[in-house]
Amino acid sequence: GENVEQHPSTLSVQEGDSAVIKCTYSDSASNYFPWYKQELGKRPQLIIDIRSNVGEKKDQRIAVTLNKTAKHFSLHITETQPEDSAVYFCAASNEPQGGSEKLVFGKGTKLTVNP
Amino acid sequence: EPEVTQTPSHQVTQMGQEVILRCVPISNHLYFYWYRQILGQKVEFLVSFYNNEISEKSEIFDDQFSVERPDGSNFTLKIRSTKLEDSAMYFCASSEWDRVYNEQFFGPGTRLTVL
Repeated sequence: GENVEQHPSTLSVQEGDSAVIKCTYSDSASNYFPWYKQELGKRPQLIIDIRSNVGEKKDQRIAVTLNKTAKHFSLHITETQPEDSAVYFCAASNEPQGGSEKLVFGKGTKLTVNP
Repeated sequence: EPEVTQTPSHQVTQMGQEVILRCVPISNHLYFYWYRQILGQKVEFLVSFYNNEISEKSEIFDDQFSVERPDGSNFTLKIRSTKLEDSAMYFCASSEWDRVYNEQFFGPGTRLTVL
């Protein structure tokens, strides 16, 4: 089955710097890659996702890149702010036509943005 | 904005007891999921449910676990005889059937503590 590896496990940056979190996946059939942000004691919330027919997607300060050949995808946060501090999870899914499938998550990255 | 809700927020039980965790998915969603997160670890898939039946389950979801949609709005996870290792945060999620976009929305979680 699918296995998702995520690095680093912790990341500390200064406010205003960029942060990059990387994930690799094992199943070449995976075609949907969401990123979730989880603040302490709260639910995971989707912040951005990408499908395998796209190489990059951007939403304001957040971008995700996907390299299907190498089976890795990355989350990029620019101009980080203290409120970006949270645990970020990548996930992969083999999303069939017209349906939903399980998400396989990475272990998470605890991002700390220092003021 | 509609949200997935879960009750209770925290459940404490004795080993060997049965527990039922409750979820109310977003009303027009058709796919339902249970995930769990042991403290400090990754979110793990347990089971997915569609059209009143299980569509996929993980190896964690053994005979001690069952799911039900008893009344068209609630979605429940039952653990028949809890073990210490069942202590975790349990998240319910739901998604809307859509040909191109299947974001999974997570509930706030139920923290299960087995003593």
